[in-house]
Amino acid sequence: EAGVVQSPRYKIIEKKQPVAFWCNPISGHNTLYWYRQNLGQGPELLIRYENEEAVDDSQLPKDRFSAERLKGVDSTLKIQPAELGDSAVYLCASSEDSLSGNTIYFGEGSWLTVV
Amino acid sequence: AQSVSQHNHHVILSEAASLELGCNYSYGGTVNLFWYVQYPGQHLQLLLKYFSGDPLVKGIKGFEAEFIKSKFSFNLRKPSVQWSDTAEYFCAVISYNTDKLIFGTGTRLQVFP
Repeated sequence: EAGVVQSPRYKIIEKKQPVAFWCNPISGHNTLYWYRQNLGQGPELLIRYENEEAVDDSQLPKDRFSAERLKGVDSTLKIQPAELGDSAVYLCASSEDSLSGNTIYFGEGSWLTVV
Repeated sequence: AQSVSQHNHHVILSEAASLELGCNYSYGGTVNLFWYVQYPGQHLQLLLKYFSGDPLVKGIKGFEAEFIKSKFSFNLRKPSVQWSDTAEYFCAVISYNTDKLIFGTGTRLQVFP
């Protein structure tokens, strides 16, 4: 079974430039998550989708971050404009649904460096 | 605020030594508990999880963890570590109240031959 697929794996951009990350969750998983992991820290939730609806985006910096999950499958996370402090690993994850009893599976992450 | 604490930030062991990594959480109510592992250059992988039942859970690669509700703890153990266990270990908790998976800051484990 294919896992959560993310691209690109690595991205280096100059500050003030835009960047986008793409995620394809595990087939059949209704819930999709975007996490950010700073160096030396645990992942922190940015946004959670149930199908195509964003049900928890309280941690998403909405002035520069946006996300979408059209058709309830793939998702994109965009940063515009990027700042130096956005350098981190952006993790996509999915689960069958958001009930607490389900395991969340993570992708390999998209490593962003803003210079 | 709800939080997960991992007190050991960096652990260095020799092969065959025993391992115990601490994890404490501050949630009230019903929780599910996880340990994830991240090997160098790889993605987060589930090591083990506790949902209900026997508080001693066994995971992959000889790891186990014990849920002690009265202590709000979910410590990870392995009786004899191997060099291949070198990785970063994350404890995570999801509360039935919030449905939000919260991670600890991680513990970096280095095992030397």
